[in-house]
Amino acid sequence: DAKTTQPNSMESNEEEPVHLPCNHSTISGTDYIHWYRQLPSQGPEYVIHGLTSNVNNRMASLAIAEDRKSSTLILHRATLRDAAVYYCILRVNYGGSQGNLIFGKGTKLSVKP
Amino acid sequence: DAGVTQSPTHLIKTRGQQVTLRCSPKSGHDTVSWYQQALGQGPQFIFQYYEEEERQRGNFPDRFSGHQFPNYSSELNVNALLLGDSALYLCASSNRDRVIGANVLTFGAGSRLTVL
Repeated sequence: DAKTTQPNSMESNEEEPVHLPCNHSTISGTDYIHWYRQLPSQGPEYVIHGLTSNVNNRMASLAIAEDRKSSTLILHRATLRDAAVYYCILRVNYGGSQGNLIFGKGTKLSVKP
Repeated sequence: DAGVTQSPTHLIKTRGQQVTLRCSPKSGHDTVSWYQQALGQGPQFIFQYYEEEERQRGNFPDRFSGHQFPNYSSELNVNALLLGDSALYLCASSNRDRVIGANVLTFGAGSRLTVL
């Protein structure tokens, strides 16, 4: 199974940028990098995904290293509502069928007012 | 758009009993996946259904079974419940007709099962 490595926890101050790192040294050329987050008492929520190029959406930005062995999720201005567990996941292409999401333990982000 | 809906939200069973959890996918989605999330852990993949058949399965025993109906809704059944089956059960839906790898899952809020 394709694996990712993330810090167990991180802290941020409100309204400051947050950079959440992820290592995925075993990534293959067709694996997409996905980020999901899970707020307390909720199911995971899609944040962003990318393949090779950096990506931006209304929630966050995803910076992908040139060798694709690591990536960083960037929250430009953290709010208290961004406190959650953030999961970095490789979306694997199993011979043309949709690979399931393999979750690790993720990074628990705490945001201080 | 109602998103993914799951029922019941909470339930309590005793060891040896059987349970059925239900999931309605997001409008426009045809694929349903089920996950088990123990306290403090990330979700673990159970199985995936589309076209009313189980297509992929994680490392779960045969006590865990499922079904998908023609309207794409799905059920998860667990027989002979064990204390260790206590967890949050998450349903996620997606649309198979998308670029593989880029496909995004929409999760429900889950069904919290407690086995006594």
